[in-house]
Amino acid sequence: GAGVSQSPRYKVAKRGQDVALRCDPISGHVSLFWYQQALGQGPEFLTYFQNEAQLDKSGLPSDRFFAERPEGSVSTLKIQRTQQEDSAVYLCASSLDAGKDGYTFGSGTRLTVV
Amino acid sequence: DAKTTQPTSMDCAEGRAANLPCNHSTISGNEYVYWYRQIHSQGPQYIIHGLKNNETNEMASLIITEDRKSSTLILPHATLRDTAVYYCIVRDRLDYGQNFVFGPGTRLSVLP
Repeated sequence: GAGVSQSPRYKVAKRGQDVALRCDPISGHVSLFWYQQALGQGPEFLTYFQNEAQLDKSGLPSDRFFAERPEGSVSTLKIQRTQQEDSAVYLCASSLDAGKDGYTFGSGTRLTVV
Repeated sequence: DAKTTQPTSMDCAEGRAANLPCNHSTISGNEYVYWYRQIHSQGPQYIIHGLKNNETNEMASLIITEDRKSSTLILPHATLRDTAVYYCIVRDRLDYGQNFVFGPGTRLSVLP
């Protein structure tokens, strides 16, 4: 497709459940970011990939969060043993050139932990 | 932490120019000014970026002061669809992997 695609669009998880969020970047885009956005706040950085290499994961809030991009295209953000504070919109962004001319964001996955 | 400060909210009449200010007094020589906006229930959308010269594209104009400590995003003829949160971000354009640090942004309401 022409844009960054994220699925599912909405996810409701029971506390303690594991979830997996998918990001399909624009074809050929080298750089991929994950952000977390709490209600009423700006997006906050989670992790960065360049191709299949995860170059920065300093924003992941705990070891329950794990991201991968094994073939340098599709990326998955996994959250284990979800907690209520994990409720947020998870945004994926990709770029051809490490964001020199801006990133293209997906519409996000809204995760609600009940 | 975000390196920019923006007003929390602004109103603009439909059809008029919307001028959104941003202060970035600690900007370094390698850092560009980027603007994104986020319409409700969507991901952020890139608008424009610049270093020191004024920039214009089909969406907006970016005016950066000579000392680069502040800038203004101008939407020349605001429409209701421009209602969104606007984020001003400074980033080293060539620092591959440096993430965009979003602050709370300015909530622009375009009024009919």
